[in-house]
Amino acid sequence: QVQLVESGGGVVQPGRSLRLSCAASGFTFSSFAMHWVRQAPGKGLEWVAVISYDGSNKYYADSVKGRFTISRDNSKNTLYLQMNSLRPEDTAVYYCEGNPYWGQGTLVTVSS
Amino acid sequence: DIQMTQSPSSLSASVGDRVIITCRASQGISNYLAWFQQKPGKAPKSLIYGASNLQSGVPSKFSGSGSGTDFTLTISSLQPEDFATYYCQQYHSYPRTFGGGTKVEIK
Repeated sequence: QVQLVESGGGVVQPGRSLRLSCAASGFTFSSFAMHWVRQAPGKGLEWVAVISYDGSNKYYADSVKGRFTISRDNSKNTLYLQMNSLRPEDTAVYYCEGNPYWGQGTLVTVSS
Repeated sequence: DIQMTQSPSSLSASVGDRVIITCRASQGISNYLAWFQQKPGKAPKSLIYGASNLQSGVPSKFSGSGSGTDFTLTISSLQPEDFATYYCQQYHSYPRTFGGGTKVEIK
């Protein structure tokens, strides 16, 4: 069956970096555009970034532009989010999504 | 950026009630509108795409309508498993944007 499994979350100090991964299985990953969506504690959903099926096109939310980088490795069926210069307001559960599939999320906490 | 405004932000309803949630876009988005359901502590689940098309496996008690700037999600007969938060999202252009959510609670 379809699975999207995020990993790489944790507690990190402001200004530091973290890389999230999303391992996909059960569908043709290389045919899907993939997104990262986040949800701060007790808040709504916020779209973060998208990468086209072949990695040639990427778009970002203004809140993360210049700090986060989305990438993918279709040979490994894996999506990534490199997060640099992290801020407390980046604290959230991060979900990977490839319509209509969603992962279970991984929690990132930015705190000193 | 396109702003998405959902109303109400919360509602109380009884089992068997018909529930309507509205979503308004700050500019026309044709039918590039999706609806998601999220239960506490869980990932969102895709319900509807293209404003009115049910995702595979989604029961027909859910329906969506609208085009342009005004959209609705209707649950025809609310069941206990439908108590959740619902979000709309436009995918007409980047950045994609979500509505603020509608929490459906038990009366």
